[in-house]
Amino acid sequence: ETGVTQTPRHLVMGMTNKKSLKCEQHLGHNAMYWYKQSAKKPLELMFVYNFKEQTENNSVPSRFSPECPNSSHLFLHLHTLQPEDSALYLCASSQGGEVGGYTFGSGTRLTVV
Amino acid sequence: GQNIDQPTEMTATEGAIVQINCTYQTSGFNGLFWYQQHAGEAPTFLSYNVLDGLEEKGRFSSFLSRSKGYSYLLLKELQMKDSASYLCAVTDSNYQLIWGAGTKLIIKP
Repeated sequence: ETGVTQTPRHLVMGMTNKKSLKCEQHLGHNAMYWYKQSAKKPLELMFVYNFKEQTENNSVPSRFSPECPNSSHLFLHLHTLQPEDSALYLCASSQGGEVGGYTFGSGTRLTVV
Repeated sequence: GQNIDQPTEMTATEGAIVQINCTYQTSGFNGLFWYQQHAGEAPTFLSYNVLDGLEEKGRFSSFLSRSKGYSYLLLKELQMKDSASYLCAVTDSNYQLIWGAGTKLIIKP
C-alpha cells in the first residue's frame, strides 16, 4: 500500500452503464489527481483538485465527471463510455504547490465492452 | 510542443548494469523525476534531479544535464525484481508534470 487506495482494482462495464471509481488518501496531501494510462503512451492528466477545488480539466469528455467531497477523497463518475476509454485509471496525491513527487494508487483497470 | 522521449523496451541480464535514457523538450524546467512501475501496481518515486550531475541512491543513480535536455537512470547489480517500467517525467515552467511513455525493462537470468 502506498497511502493512496483505489477501488475497484478491476472494472468491466458496458457502454450504457454508470459506474464510479474511488480514491482515498490519508497522507495529509492537499492535491489529488486523476490520470489515464494507456499501453505504451505517456500518462495523461485528466483532472486536478487543490484543496477540494478543481483547478484543471484537460479537455476531458463530459462522460467523465470528477467529484472531490473533501481533501482525502476523490471520485471519477463514468457514464456512456466508449471502448477506447479502456485503460488504467490512476489516482495520485501530492502536497500541492511545490515541486515534489506524487504518491500514486495502484489504479483501476477499466474495460469497456 | 512538449515531449519526453525514452526507449520503449530494454533487456538486461541479472547482475549487470543498465542505463535508461530520457531526453526532453519542455517549456521551462523545474525538475525531473524517475518512477518505477511494476505491472499492475502503482508508480513509485525513485529519484528527483533539479541540478546537473549525478544523484546516487543505493543501486540506482540518476543523472541530469539541463543544457542537453537529457537524463539517465542507472541501475547496477540488476535483480529480477527490477523488471518493471521506468517512467521519466519533467516539471515545466508552470509546474505541470510532463510524462514519458515509460521504458519496460526485462531482466533475464
